[in-house]
Amino acid sequence: AQSVAQPEDQVNVAEGNPLTVKCTYSVSGNPYLFWYVQYPNRGLQFLLKYITGDNLVKGSYGFEAEFNKSQTSFHLKKPSALVSDSALYFCAVKFHSGAGSYQLTFGKGTKLSVIP
Amino acid sequence: KAGVTQTPRYLIKTRGQQVTLSCSPISGHRSVSWYQQTPGQGLQFLFEYFSETQRNKGNFPGRFSGRQFSNSRSEMNVSTLELGDSALYLCASSLGERGEQYFGPGTRLTVT
Repeated sequence: AQSVAQPEDQVNVAEGNPLTVKCTYSVSGNPYLFWYVQYPNRGLQFLLKYITGDNLVKGSYGFEAEFNKSQTSFHLKKPSALVSDSALYFCAVKFHSGAGSYQLTFGKGTKLSVIP
Repeated sequence: KAGVTQTPRYLIKTRGQQVTLSCSPISGHRSVSWYQQTPGQGLQFLFEYFSETQRNKGNFPGRFSGRQFSNSRSEMNVSTLELGDSALYLCASSLGERGEQYFGPGTRLTVT
């Protein structure tokens, strides 16, 4: 079965320090991987995606993620955290579900708190 | 380009009633997906429509249904509402299979 795991419910980091939000996946075939962020009472905003090519993907707001096929991971990173980065982060994998259809499956989410 | 819009933003309904939520995708996007978000279950896929056809369906009871119109606008309907249907319902649109999904702000449904 296709699945995404975010092992940490919450990550706390001091402002200015690097941050990492972890994501591992289980999917047959080549995955399409995504990161989204959700601010309180808002919809999800797209941050970045990996489809193919360079394993290091750069996205919005200074975020990047590294695709590691051997470890089936797609961790989200940022060199220097801002208080405004505090939000709920979702990792997602898109897989082929048959008949030309693709389904997006989300992890449970990781709450990131950046402490001033 | 205007983003994905959802109406209404908030709804309060009583058990047993039915509700219809609306979603207008980004112009040119033909794929529309619906998700239910709850604190306990997280984000769960409801269904996806493409060119007025349901292409994929999640594991939800038949009380949850949807449709897509020729202009790609989509509606989802929940009949015989239950307390457990209280959730944030999110709609997302995309260009194609490799594209990212763009989400609307959601409709917050409260069932009392």
